[in-house]
Amino acid sequence: GAVVSQHPSWVICKSGTSVKIECRSLDFQATTMFWYRQFPKQSLMLMATSNEGSKATYEQGVEKDKFLINHASLTLSTLTVTSAHPEDSSFYICSAIGTGNTEAFFGQGTRLTVV
Amino acid sequence: AQSVTQLGSHVSVSEGALVLLRCNYSSSVPPYLFWYVQYPNQGLQLLLKYTSAATLVKGINDFEAEFKKSETSFHLTKPSAHMSDAAEYFCAVSFSNFGNEKLTFGTGTRLTIIP
Repeated sequence: GAVVSQHPSWVICKSGTSVKIECRSLDFQATTMFWYRQFPKQSLMLMATSNEGSKATYEQGVEKDKFLINHASLTLSTLTVTSAHPEDSSFYICSAIGTGNTEAFFGQGTRLTVV
Repeated sequence: AQSVTQLGSHVSVSEGALVLLRCNYSSSVPPYLFWYVQYPNQGLQLLLKYTSAATLVKGINDFEAEFKKSETSFHLTKPSAHMSDAAEYFCAVSFSNFGNEKLTFGTGTRLTIIP
């Protein structure tokens, strides 16, 4: 299957700083990418949907000014957690679908710890 | 709203025994249904997917699931558990056109294999 890569796989940052997470589709063009958040021992919750070249669509309750999503190319989407706080500590996972794809491929996830 | 319910947050089976992980969905129309597996600190890997082509769906690693409309269920089974099957399993549903967007996940079932 297609490969989606996230970077970094884990990151620790200080409270108040910003962190950028990258999601890349390595062998296909991702027309749509999704960002999920997973709290410990809980399920994945969709945060936002991003289409290449368009503004992201955020799910209800997700602060768009805090979680900045950019999908500037067909192979890269970024999620920036701005002014991170300890409650933002979580596992963030992206997925991507391409033209004609019927399956969403998931990245390996990024574990963010805010101290 | 669409929802997915996974009965049993933890399931333990002996190596070689039958694996049964339960999933029920709420919907008036058949959705796309998925089972994903997640190993520690990793992303999700698709096990199998129901797209209305056949009610019994075979996936990777000898997993299979049967779609039962009358019961609104999509339980995951494997005839003989292997130690490597120990992981978190998520059932998911989608109502998008191609079944690959805006997945709604269940809360997950952690499968433990007893030697």
